[in-house]
Amino acid sequence: EVHLVESGGGMVQPGGSLRLSCAASGFTFSSYWMTWVRQAPGKGLERVATIKQDGTDKYYVDSVRGRFTVSRDNANNSVCLQMNTLRAEDSAVYYCARLSSRSWPYYFDFWGQGTLVTVSP
Amino acid sequence: DIQMTQSPSTLSASVGDRVTITCRASQTIGTSLAWYQQEPGKAPKLLIYKASTLESGVPSRFSGSGSVTEFTLTISSLQPDDFATYYCQQYNSYWTFGQGTKVEVK
Repeated sequence: EVHLVESGGGMVQPGGSLRLSCAASGFTFSSYWMTWVRQAPGKGLERVATIKQDGTDKYYVDSVRGRFTVSRDNANNSVCLQMNTLRAEDSAVYYCARLSSRSWPYYFDFWGQGTLVTVSP
Repeated sequence: DIQMTQSPSTLSASVGDRVTITCRASQTIGTSLAWYQQEPGKAPKLLIYKASTLESGVPSRFSGSGSVTEFTLTISSLQPDDFATYYCQQYNSYWTFGQGTKVEVK
């Protein structure tokens, strides 16, 4: 059974940094693209960052490019999101999700339960 | 960037009702469209991909249709578990979501 478990959320001041992690199990992690999606309180879903199986390709939404970095460790079945220079508008629940590998292009087929990030003075 | 627009934003319905949600893309996406269901306080769950293919384990009362720029999600007979928020997502060019449609109790 596919499991994705996020960790690392919390409260941080504006301008601060936070590192989120997602531990994956139940599938061959190195064969799948992975992504981070966030949801601000009471708002919709926004894809934040996406990383290819081997980490060579990474895609970011414009609002986080240059501040956030997505990375993965295939040996330890984990994907991370390093968030720097955080702003109030980055406050959200951050979900880790797996991209389906059935055929390109890929959609998101499994999601973790999310971790809450709050950016506040 | 491709923009996705859902309508309505909120839908009031009763158990047993037939419900339809519309999603429009700002440019052609073929059939690269997925639908997700999100219950309050929970993670989104994949319902449909490739515009009309039901994900394994999803009840057959859910169906999807459409192509190019216009898509619909239909629930043939609304059940108590179906009161939730639904999102469309295009994955033809990167990935963007619609703003969501909340299905609430009438």
